[in-house]
Order: sequence, then C-alpha cells, then structure tokens
Amino acid sequence: SQTIHQWPATLVQPVGSPLSLECTVEGTSNPNLYWYRQAAGRGLQLLFYSVGIGQISSEVPQNLSASRPQDRQFILSSKKLLLSDSGFYLCAWSGGLPHTGELFFGEGSRLTVL
Amino acid sequence: DAKTTQPNSMESNEEEPVHLPCNHSTISGTDYIHWYRQLPSQGPEYVIHGLTSNVNNRMASLAIAEDRKSSTLILHRATLRDAAVYYCILRDPYNNNDMRFGAGTRLTVKP
Repeated sequence: SQTIHQWPATLVQPVGSPLSLECTVEGTSNPNLYWYRQAAGRGLQLLFYSVGIGQISSEVPQNLSASRPQDRQFILSSKKLLLSDSGFYLCAWSGGLPHTGELFFGEGSRLTVL
Repeated sequence: DAKTTQPNSMESNEEEPVHLPCNHSTISGTDYIHWYRQLPSQGPEYVIHGLTSNVNNRMASLAIAEDRKSSTLILHRATLRDAAVYYCILRDPYNNNDMRFGAGTRLTVKP
C-alpha cells in the first residue's frame, strides 16, 4: 500500500534561518507531488506541485522553493525564513494524468518562526 | 481562487444526519467533485468524489445536482468524531495544478 511521510512534525525557527522540510512517498511510482500551506484558522494554499523529477511549478511567489531530487522525494526549502512563513505545511501526492482519484496527504509539519 | 462556495460553519446534533452544501456554478464538463475533511492538527482526509451520479461509500454519500452546479455531502448519522472542516473542491483530471482548497465548512457536532 502507498504511504506518505513528512518531517519534521514540528519546528521552531528564528527569522532569517534556513528551512528544509522533506516528504517521501512509498508504494507508488511517478506520483504528482504537492506542497500546501495552511495559516492558523485558514484554508489550504497550494504552494508548489511537481509532475516529475526536477519539474517544479510554483503557484505563489514567495521566499520558499521546492525541489524533487528523486521520484518519490519532495523538499520544501527557504534560505531565510520570514515571520509570515509560520504555518502548517502539508505534502500530498496523487496519481499521474489523467487522474480522477484522490489526494493523499501527509501528517503535516508545523512551523513557527519567531 | 477556489471555484467552490461553502458555508463557513454548520452545527449538528449527534446521531442526526448532516447535509453539507457546496456550490460550484462554474464547473466544467470534465471536473470531478471531491470532498475532503480535516481534523485538528492533521492533514486532510479524502471522503468521497463523483462526476455526475450520486455516490455512496462507508463514510458518506454525495448527492450531485442534475445541472452539476451544486452538490451535497451527506453524513447519515453524525458522531463527535465527524467534527472537522469539510472541503469541497473541483478536480480537472487533465490539469495537475487544479487542486485548490477554499476555506471549507467547519462542522460542529453537539452531544
């Protein structure tokens, strides 16, 4: 069966520090991968999606970046965190095109920038 | 921009049915209607999806209007564990980036 994991689960970082969140998927190949962010009490905001290794599309301009070094690995990074980067970050995967099935979400990573 | 409209919040009593509405007046012919729910401090969880016909699974039922411009998620007997934020989204099967979630409906279940 397919599983998705992301880590760390929680982290507290000072403003200006770097960030690296990692997500891996097991049990499937060539998944579409997504990074979402959820600010406190808000809905989900799509940040990045990837259809294959090295292929990243950005939905919102920001100081975050994403990379996909391997088929089932998706990394969210920042060189210098801002206070506004605080939130709940969610990685998700789905099957490739054409797809009608569901998104599968990871457990989430809660980031607090102080 | 989310292409669906949902009420911000709803309340239900335990053991009673719940009907969660969603409007999607700009739905295209190929869009699937998906529902997810999110418990506190967890990632969203898939609930159900459909295209034109009503759908049933172990979690819920999905009733789709004949013109497909609205749908309703039905929880037949609400439990306290059903308290969550419910999201209705449209999914274009040929567009990878078309996975935008709105604010959803926060369902409160009263004992």
